[in-house]
Amino acid sequence: DADVTQTPRNRITKTGKRIMLECSQTKGHDRMYWYRQDPGLGLRLIYYSFDVKDINKGEISDGYSVSRQAQAKFSLSLESAIPNQTALYFCATSVAGTGELFFGEGSRLTVL
Amino acid sequence: KNQVEQSPQSLIILEGKNCTLQCNYTVSPFSNLRWYKQDTGRGPVSLTIMTFSENTKSNGRYTATLDADTKQSSLHITASQLSDSASYICVVSPGGSYIPTFGRGTSLIVHP
Repeated sequence: DADVTQTPRNRITKTGKRIMLECSQTKGHDRMYWYRQDPGLGLRLIYYSFDVKDINKGEISDGYSVSRQAQAKFSLSLESAIPNQTALYFCATSVAGTGELFFGEGSRLTVL
Repeated sequence: KNQVEQSPQSLIILEGKNCTLQCNYTVSPFSNLRWYKQDTGRGPVSLTIMTFSENTKSNGRYTATLDADTKQSSLHITASQLSDSASYICVVSPGGSYIPTFGRGTSLIVHP
């Protein structure tokens, strides 16, 4: 089983729908992140959390919200999806000190 | 503003040939620099980590260099294989509670 698991792996939805992407990890890491990846733009940070009671906006948080339900779970929500949110979304974890990020397999979201 | 610039944006080489990817950064403070490999449709995976005091580090056919004075790093791939076809991402971490800064990546295609 993967250490960082994302669900769903693929999702097609319509404009205006609410979408939730879920991430769970078995690595025991405190820090969790949500990134989106678009061709030519690389990975951009949406939100991050350094522990259960800590939530921080990244560089592109508009239109997104997150919930850290437990140390192992970090969910990303799109309250009203729009086509330019079509992208590949990655969840990642890390520990303080090393800085190494461990990524999930990604969730491909298409908004029609 | 912290920035990481990678070049070239894309690169095509023949199997068996060597290549070098470049990374320039303006991240401060500096804790470490990592190179990640991202296969198509997968999450990035760390290849190497370079700290301030390290100049060169190898991981099989991958050799990373760091010049902390000029704030430049390179990733050299020796005797390329088809499986090296991927995106290579340079990530610089300030350390502590700061979040890492990502480059946009270099897309490498290895042709038989």
